[in-house]
Amino acid sequence: GQSLEQPSEVTAVEGAIVQINCTYQTSGFYGLSWYQQHDGGAPTFLSYNALDGLEETGRFSSFLSRSDSYGYLLLQELQMKDSASYFCAVIGGFKTIFGAGTRLFVKA
Amino acid sequence: EAGVTQFPSHSVIEKGQTVTLRCDPISGHDNLYWYRRVMGKEIKFLLHFVKESKQDESGMPNNRFLAERTGGTYSTLKVQPAELEDSGVYFCASSRAGASTDTQYFGPGTRLTVL
Repeated sequence: GQSLEQPSEVTAVEGAIVQINCTYQTSGFYGLSWYQQHDGGAPTFLSYNALDGLEETGRFSSFLSRSDSYGYLLLQELQMKDSASYFCAVIGGFKTIFGAGTRLFVKA
Repeated sequence: EAGVTQFPSHSVIEKGQTVTLRCDPISGHDNLYWYRRVMGKEIKFLLHFVKESKQDESGMPNNRFLAERTGGTYSTLKVQPAELEDSGVYFCASSRAGASTDTQYFGPGTRLTVL
């Protein structure tokens, strides 16, 4: 079967750093994406890793280890507006498989 | 550039009724995807259109669901007859190229409640 595992919930304080892990088991793999979704809104693309290593985009970074079927999203200098759900997604051929999402709560 | 739009934003229907959801992708995007998220669970793939053709419909739950994309522009997803377990948020996404190489842009979703 195909599955992605990520924590259901993470809480952190404003200004801190938080890491959201994702492990996957899929039949096909092109890359790992991360999406952010605020309540009632559309999932929006954050990052994509096709190769091993760290990709940095501003306060957000994403890491992939294909040999470990593992990746993470790192959020630095947390802001209240970062409170949202974060989904990892495996791009496998023409199909994208999403995890159940991690709800991030940022406290003042 | 306008984003992906979906209509309606909310729909509340009774079990056994029919509902049709509409998605207008970003202009010029040949790839259109339907997804569904049931409360607290993953965003589950339903199907993928390339222009007007169904590339992959392996995620469609059963034959009560019918998706069309006549003319390769907007798409509709019809649920007939609706059942309680069909409740959830239905997202549409579009991309210029295939999923393996291109970012998908999501619409705001249609929240379907079946009573």
